[in-house]
Amino acid sequence: DVVVTQSPLSLAVTLGQPASISCRSSQSLVNYDGNTYLDWFHQRPGQSPRRLIYRVSNRDAGVPDRFSGSGSGTDFTLKISRVEAEDVGVYYCLQGTHLYSFGQGTKLEIK
Amino acid sequence: QVQLVESGGGVVQPGGSLRVSCAASGFTFTNYGIHWVRQAPGKGLEWVAFFRSDAINAFYADSVEGRFTVSRDTSKTTHFLQMDSLRTEDTAVYFCVREYFQDWGQGTLVTVSS
Repeated sequence: DVVVTQSPLSLAVTLGQPASISCRSSQSLVNYDGNTYLDWFHQRPGQSPRRLIYRVSNRDAGVPDRFSGSGSGTDFTLKISRVEAEDVGVYYCLQGTHLYSFGQGTKLEIK
Repeated sequence: QVQLVESGGGVVQPGGSLRVSCAASGFTFTNYGIHWVRQAPGKGLEWVAFFRSDAINAFYADSVEGRFTVSRDTSKTTHFLQMDSLRTEDTAVYFCVREYFQDWGQGTLVTVSS
């Protein structure tokens, strides 16, 4: 089974400052079709998750451009260029190349 | 717009069974598969199962393989997750999610407890 490891597990950031979350996979996420199936989600307390980024770096409609995804192979990163109050919550990465598995989640708080 | 509405959650004893439903609307039902994702209280997300749009192929997490079964009723545009031999560690909110993970339901809570 593919294990997906996020770091850090919690993050406290000052408003307006950047934040970065890492997601590492135990196997390469490059699929036989050439695509890399790594998505990022944000979940606020009491709400369902929302997809932010799909296939490593593609932002979903309505997602602010302060969110960006990058990476390849086994190492991936979600960056928030300037954290806003509405960004608090838990962020998850999901790999979809070898069946599916989520990272443990990273809790973002405002310092 | 896409809507996914789960129902059928509740309290069940260990070893028991429960079926949760996911009523879908706002898209062509037979064109998309459905994932089931669960979240134990205070914990992270866990992928549980995927029923492909061909209604033939289903995939399960190791933790539920052989105990959970996915199905659908096209006439009612509803997906089902049949859960048998339930364990206390299956206690969670169960979400149905449209293929590609862009659209999520609100979830239904399943509690396995004696």
